[in-house]
Amino acid sequence: DGGITQSPKYLFRKEGQNVTLSCEQNLNHDAMYWYRQDPGQGLRLIYYSQIVNDFQKGDIAEGYSVSREKKESFPLTVTSAQKNPTAFYLCASSAGQGTGQETQYFGPGTRLLVL
Amino acid sequence: AQTVTQSQPEMSVQEAETVTLSCTYDTSESDYYLFWYKQPPSRQMILVIRQEAYKQQNATENRFSVNFQKAAKSFSLKISDSQLGDAAMYFCAYRSYSNYQLIWGAGTKLIIKP
Repeated sequence: DGGITQSPKYLFRKEGQNVTLSCEQNLNHDAMYWYRQDPGQGLRLIYYSQIVNDFQKGDIAEGYSVSREKKESFPLTVTSAQKNPTAFYLCASSAGQGTGQETQYFGPGTRLLVL
Repeated sequence: AQTVTQSQPEMSVQEAETVTLSCTYDTSESDYYLFWYKQPPSRQMILVIRQEAYKQQNATENRFSVNFQKAAKSFSLKISDSQLGDAAMYFCAYRSYSNYQLIWGAGTKLIIKP
């Protein structure tokens, strides 16, 4: 089945620790995205990537880093510089630009908690 | 900058009845896309319906339809024959033709009463 997978489902971070959230898609989509969702709020864009080896900062990139070495994969690292990382993280992908290709499809999410 | 506003934090409807969720947006662009996403308790974001601004015809997907009023910058979602499985947070989102970024509303919690 085609889709987007995220792992782990739950992740615990200790103070000062970097953690990496995985996002993989087999939809052959060019573009991938990372969002953060806090309780009772909409989604905020952290980073996005339109093609392999290229990515752009979103609205709240500070304290996060990404890489896009493969088309299928777009891991997100939450660094120790992110002082309030507790949130729900959603990964999405879309086919790219152009009519019919703009719709973003989402993975099941990762819940990050700070110990 | 574009903004999306959902003025109803919570709505409730009796099972089998019809409910309409409101969404307004602000943009100076003429070409864009609008979306409604559903987020059930599992928290996965699921696409409900999408509308392209150049299309005058309102999009429909089974029991879900939109009322797209471009001049008024309004994009409401109508759910007919509400079912218990429709209970979720519903988010309205906007995307311009030229920008990959989705602009999100704050969401409306829909409660279905049996």
